[in-house]
Amino acid sequence: EAEVAQSPRYKITEKSQAVAFWCDPISGHATLYWYRQILGQGPELLVQFQDESVVDDSQLPKDRFSAERLKGVDSTLKIQPAELGDSAMYLCASSGRGSSLSMNTEAFFGQGTRLTVV
Amino acid sequence: QKEVEQDPGPLSVPEGAIVSLNCTYSNSAFQYFMWYRQYSRKGPELLMYTYSSGNKEDGRFTAQVDKSSKYISLFIRDSQPSDSATYLCAMSRGGYQKVTFGTGTKLQVIP
Repeated sequence: EAEVAQSPRYKITEKSQAVAFWCDPISGHATLYWYRQILGQGPELLVQFQDESVVDDSQLPKDRFSAERLKGVDSTLKIQPAELGDSAMYLCASSGRGSSLSMNTEAFFGQGTRLTVV
Repeated sequence: QKEVEQDPGPLSVPEGAIVSLNCTYSNSAFQYFMWYRQYSRKGPELLMYTYSSGNKEDGRFTAQVDKSSKYISLFIRDSQPSDSATYLCAMSRGGYQKVTFGTGTKLQVIP
């Protein structure tokens, strides 16, 4: 069964260091999302791509976070410099380009990258 | 006020009980409603998906949407210990619009 792949699964980094996460969506999925989930809370959208274009990055802290999806397939999320408050699960999700608009709403998630900033 | 409100629980029930999980929302433009299940240290997995108002049933799970009240529910019949997880409601205006999540309700089913 097709899955969203994320790496690494776990990352420990020191404050002020740079960190990067990678996501490979389900093949053929045009929409890719990066969510951040703080322990005990629901996922919050950081950035949404439609193919290679950013369609929503209103909640992305752009002074330290960047995201790219250069060829409209896999994506990288970077944090530089990392802060203690960035400790969270970073989830990647994708949804398809179906024959109906509704199909683009069903987001499928990867296992996430758990980031700990020390 | 958050767009989507969900009681975080925890909710503890005996095996075999009927579980009711609920969310309220404020954005009347939401048309697509989802329930995700998230096991500890895992990513969310899509459980149920409903468009507009009405009911949808899948095995032991029933999703209900009442758009007039801006209220959605997930019912789990004959709950099992394997149902122990956090249940996240999520909703969207559809198309390529973002999916907005509730905070999740942690459920524990006791054998």
